Amino acid sequence: GAGVSQTPSNKVTEKGKYVELRCDPISGHTALYWYRQSLGQGPEFLIYFQGTGAADDSGLPNDRFFAVRPEGSVSTLKIQRTERGDSAVYLCASSLRGPPLTNEQYFGPGTRLTVT
Amino acid sequence: DQQVKQNSPSLSVQEGRISILNCDYTNSMFDYFLWYKKYPAEGPTFLISISSIKDKNEDGRFTVFLNKSAKHLSLHIVPSQPGDSAVYFCAASYAGSSNTGKLIFGQGTTLQVKP
Repeated sequence: GAGVSQTPSNKVTEKGKYVELRCDPISGHTALYWYRQSLGQGPEFLIYFQGTGAADDSGLPNDRFFAVRPEGSVSTLKIQRTERGDSAVYLCASSLRGPPLTNEQYFGPGTRLTVT
Repeated sequence: DQQVKQNSPSLSVQEGRISILNCDYTNSMFDYFLWYKKYPAEGPTFLISISSIKDKNEDGRFTVFLNKSAKHLSLHIVPSQPGDSAVYFCAASYAGSSNTGKLIFGQGTTLQVKP
């Protein structure tokens, strides 16, 4: 079946602009995660949704970052007043159920965000 | 602080030989560990996992070993194939009430399998 999809695959924006990154999880997966991966590093957790609610947003770096999942499926990561340090690959993952029942997460290809 | 560490940035092995990728962790609250493989321009792909109640889990050519006392795990690939060339990430998650599903990743090890 279809895996996790993310759009756009690449996004170039100017410093100070607003961006939205979209994630379509695997159908039926209730848990959705956002991670950020900088060059030479492993993915870094941002936020976890169980259904429509953010169950853990402890990884969001500051209040410029916000994410929603209004219908419990598609999620949007929103970044306001982008800074050059926000440049990274933003990864979305989903799993069939949230913890503690399963921890295997299935990742999308990511959105490469470049802030100039 | 880096709670999950992969101290070898790269590893090169000959096709048919064993590849051993290592991972160390510092937080004793971790109770579930996973290995992911990542090709360029793709997202990480789940490979194999192990619960802290086990010391070994095997799936085909891939075996993960866990040494809780040493806070160390390793991934063995036997025999290695050129298609295994990728970046390998070790990840961990928390136990019990601290478990919100978030994975803590290491920095990755780039494996190159030479024909």
